[in-house]
Amino acid sequence: NAGVTQTPKFQVLKTGQSMTLQCAQDMNHNSMYWYRQDPGMGLRLIYYSASEGTTDKGEVPNGYNVSRLNKREFSLRLESAAPSQTSVYFCAGRVEIYQPQHFGDGTRLSIL
Amino acid sequence: GENVEQHPSTLSVQEGDSAVIKCTYSDSASNYFPWYKQELGKRPQLIIDIRSNVGEKKDQRIAVTLNKTAKHFSLHITETQPEDSAVYFCAARFLGKLSFGAGTTVTVRA
Repeated sequence: NAGVTQTPKFQVLKTGQSMTLQCAQDMNHNSMYWYRQDPGMGLRLIYYSASEGTTDKGEVPNGYNVSRLNKREFSLRLESAAPSQTSVYFCAGRVEIYQPQHFGDGTRLSIL
Repeated sequence: GENVEQHPSTLSVQEGDSAVIKCTYSDSASNYFPWYKQELGKRPQLIIDIRSNVGEKKDQRIAVTLNKTAKHFSLHITETQPEDSAVYFCAARFLGKLSFGAGTTVTVRA
């Protein structure tokens, strides 16, 4: 039982390059989330998927797209990376409404 | 959307003393309040949570209190130990989404 698995763990991109961050869970999560974490700003929601087949914008969606490929997988895509998107990205999942979110180990992304 | 404010941003305590972190939220419809601990370079991990129909919850040295009228909730850590040193985040859930505070860096001095 791996929990929430994110790939890659580290990535360096050049401005303008595209990339997809992968997230997969084996905890039967119905809802899945993508956050970014920047120093002094806590975790900010980028996009989420309340259930398979649905996606919605969070607090900071600009410059990102997501795909809920199936119940297990929720990917985050940067179409044209910008230095402002340098951050640590966390994927999380939740089974039911009053159960906590479980986080992956994060992807550390640097954009030069 | 929900706005969560967290204080203090840093907290240094002597080993064995208590630590208290306070959070306020803006939307009275928020109904679930988790606390996460994050060690350096690691994922956030849930340490305790409370629902809006409960005023207090305790788990060994950790307790959380909720005041719905004032829209604030607090984390209390008693008998602090060096392994309690970490960043702590509060959060409030509104319409199925969590909004997080900016975090409190807790340092326990030996």
